[in-house]
Parts: sequence; structure tokens; C-alpha cells
Amino acid sequence: GNSVTQMEGPVTLSEEAFLTINCTYTATGYPSLFWYVQYPGEGLQLLLKATKADDKGSNKGFEATYRKETTSFHLEKGSVQVSDSAVYFCAPSTFSGGYNKLIFGAGTRLAVHP
Amino acid sequence: DVKVTQSSRYLVKRTGEKVFLECVQDMDHENMFWYRQDPGLGLRLIYFSYDVKMKEKGDIPEGYSVSREKKERFSLILESASTNQTSMYLCASSRRGTSYEQYFGPGTRLTVT
Repeated sequence: GNSVTQMEGPVTLSEEAFLTINCTYTATGYPSLFWYVQYPGEGLQLLLKATKADDKGSNKGFEATYRKETTSFHLEKGSVQVSDSAVYFCAPSTFSGGYNKLIFGAGTRLAVHP
Repeated sequence: DVKVTQSSRYLVKRTGEKVFLECVQDMDHENMFWYRQDPGLGLRLIYFSYDVKMKEKGDIPEGYSVSREKKERFSLILESASTNQTSMYLCASSRRGTSYEQYFGPGTRLTVT
């Protein structure tokens, strides 16, 4: 079945630093790929998505490109802010048991300091 | 603004108790999901429902059951709580046909002693 691996945290950065959170997946077929974010005390919310190879998803300054050849979907941001401190989840889609579902990675905690 | 609410943010129960976790969404979504979130394991799907009175097992259904009598409400039931069910429980919903774009509630942190 499909699976996902994302880099372990915590990732600690200073404000305005460059961010990369790595995500690789194994999949049969061509999954859609998602990044979700969980701010402190809140549920997850969709951050961005990409549905086919070479698509770039973007939102709030974050970007991720669907790399089929390396089965990766790394999250990047050029200049992080304190308000970006959260847990980030990579989630490829899967079709299992007749239904569409998401597989969530373990999550990467990001802490941004002023 | 779309909203998924869960009945409690924090809950403490004793081993062997029957526990009900309630989830309500106001978006008229067909799909609803229950996950548990544990450190280092991410989110794991317990049960989901794609329509009223319909339910499907997720990846870790053992020790849990669910109920969906109304479209907006999806309940998770722990028939006899055990300490290994101490976790954060997250409810989510999505529209039919967009099951990947899920809206989450804030979670219920359940402690079983």
C-alpha cells in the first residue's frame, strides 16, 4: 500500500530563514499530494495540494512541487515568520478498500524564533 | 466560515468506562472521519462514513465503534476504554467527490486512567 516518510522534527529556525521539510512517498498509480498544517491548539487545515506530476502547489508563501521521478513533495518557504510555527503533515492520497483516503506522515514540528 | 466542532477538548475517563466522542459539522458534508493522533505516528484513520447510517472501518478500528444517525453528526464510541486508547482524537469532514480536502475539528485529548 501507499506510505509516506517526512523528516523528523523539530525544525528550529530564526525568522526570515529558508525552510525545507522533506517528504517522500511510495505509491501505486499517481496519487494526489497534500500538505496539511496544524497550528497550536487547532485541528489540521489544508495548506496546499498538487494533483499531477510537475504541478506546484502554493499558499501563504509555501510551495511544493510534485516530483514523480523522485516520489517527493518537499515543502519550502523562502522566509519564515514566527506565525508559521506549527506541525506540518505530508499526505498522499490512496485508494484502498474501495474508497479514497489520505495517508498522513508523522508530522514535522517547526519552531520559528524572532 | 466552515466549522467542525467536537464535544470536548479534554476528557479523563477510567479504564472500562464507555466513552462517547461527538463531532458536528455545519457544512452539509457527506463524508466524515475519525482519526487518532499519536506522537511519531501521525494520524491514523479509525472509521469513516460516506453517508447517514453508513460506516466503514479504517486502519485501526479495533476497540472502537461509530454512529451516524444524522448527516451533520458522527460519534465515536469506545465500548470499554483502555489505557492504550489515551490519545488525541480528531474528527474531519469533506464533501463527496473531494474526500482529500478535509476540514478538521480542534481535537479531543482523551486520557484513560
